[in-house]
Amino acid sequence: DFVMTQSPDSLAVSLGERATINCKSSQSILNPSNNKNHLAWYQQKPGQPPKLLIYSASTRESGVPDRFSGSGSGTDFTLTISSLQAEDVALYYCHQYYSTPQTFGQGTKVEIK
Amino acid sequence: QITLKESGPTLVKPTQTLTLTCTFSGFSLSTRGLGVAWIRQPPGKALEWLALIYWDDDKRYSPSLKSRLTITKDTSKNQVVLTMTNMDPEDTATYFCAHTITTDWLGWFAPWGHGTLVTVSS
Repeated sequence: DFVMTQSPDSLAVSLGERATINCKSSQSILNPSNNKNHLAWYQQKPGQPPKLLIYSASTRESGVPDRFSGSGSGTDFTLTISSLQAEDVALYYCHQYYSTPQTFGQGTKVEIK
Repeated sequence: QITLKESGPTLVKPTQTLTLTCTFSGFSLSTRGLGVAWIRQPPGKALEWLALIYWDDDKRYSPSLKSRLTITKDTSKNQVVLTMTNMDPEDTATYFCAHTITTDWLGWFAPWGHGTLVTVSS
C-alpha cells in the first residue's frame, strides 16, 4: 500500500498568516503515462463530509478560494493557505489515487492562534 | 448538481451483516468513466477507502477488507449498495459514499454524501 504521511498533525496560525501542510507518499504518485501527480487535498469541518480542494496536486477545484494552493511532485506535496481565515479552521487530508487501495493521510488539524 | 445520500442501519450487532445504500442524483452510473466509492471514518480517526464500482461494473476493494465486502449497483434506481459481513465493534464509523471520475486512471472523490454513522455493539 502507498502510505501517506502528513505533517504536522496540527498547527495553529494567526489570522491572515500562512499555513503550510505537508504530505509525503511512501512511493511516487507521479504517473509517467500522463505526467500527472495523483494527489488530492480535502477539507473537513466538524460534522461535515470532506470537501475537495485540490486535485492533480495543484489544480484548484471550482469555487475554492485562491488562497488555497497545492504544490509538489513525486513523493512530496504541500497544501498552502496563503492568508488564514476563520472559516479555514478544519481538518485537512491528502489522498493518493494512483494505486489501489487508495489511501489518505492521517489528517492535519488547522486552528487559529 | 450531483448529490449523494447514504442510508442504512445506525446500529448493528457483532457478527451481523451491514447493508448500506448510496442513492445519488445528478449523474448516471451508465455514463462512461463514472464511479461511486465508499469511504469510512471511525470517530476521531482518519479516512479509509473501502470499495469502488465503475459504470462498466468494474469493482475494486480494499485488500484488507476484500473478503468481507461486496459492492453492487442498480443503475435504474441510481443506487450503489455496499455490504460488509461479520461486523465488529472496530467497524464503528461514519460511512461515506462519493462520486468519482476516471479518465485515463483512478480519480479523486467529489462530491461526498453527508455520511451515516454505524455503531457496532451488542
